[in-house]
Amino acid sequence: NAGVTQTPKFQVLKTGQSMTLQCAQDMNHEYMSWYRQDPGMGLRLIHYSVGAGITDQGEVPNGYNVSRSTTEDFPLRLLSAAPSQTSVYFCASSYILGSPLHFGNGTRLTVT
Amino acid sequence: DQQVKQNSPSLSVQEGRISILNCDYTNSMFDYFLWYKKYPAEGPTFLISISSIKDKNEDGRFTVFLNKSAKHLSLHIVPSQPGDSAVYFCAASAGNQFYFGTGTSLTVIP
Repeated sequence: NAGVTQTPKFQVLKTGQSMTLQCAQDMNHEYMSWYRQDPGMGLRLIHYSVGAGITDQGEVPNGYNVSRSTTEDFPLRLLSAAPSQTSVYFCASSYILGSPLHFGNGTRLTVT
Repeated sequence: DQQVKQNSPSLSVQEGRISILNCDYTNSMFDYFLWYKKYPAEGPTFLISISSIKDKNEDGRFTVFLNKSAKHLSLHIVPSQPGDSAVYFCAASAGNQFYFGTGTSLTVIP
């Protein structure tokens, strides 16, 4: 049972480049979300989804897009990377909204 | 503004003693509280939770206490073990999203 799988583990981008962070879960969870972790800031919610075809914004959504075409996958897209998006990104899922989250192992992104 | 605060960035405890990690929150609408544990290069893992209708919840060596009037929760680990060395995050929810504290790094000294 893989749980929540994030790829890649590390990524370096130049300012203005685009990329997609992948997240997949095999627990048939309805709720999926993306967080970023920055020093002194804790984990902050970027976007979330309560089911396939449904997404919504979290606390810090600017500069990020998401889509949820299947229950299993919830990719996070950076359309034009900025140095302020340098962070560690965690994908998390849960059975339903409000239940304890299962996290992936994170993607460390550096934007130069 | 941080709605969930962990004011101690780090804590060191001797093996076998009690570890007490603290967390304060500002939003009185929060009704569900959780603790997560995080090892380096891994994602946080769920440890224990408590609903606002209770003031204590135990799971083995881990106990969470909730003081609603003070908007304060704490995690007690007894006895502490070297494998408990990790970063601990508290989180709170009013139903639609979780708000996380900044974490406390616990070191258990053998």
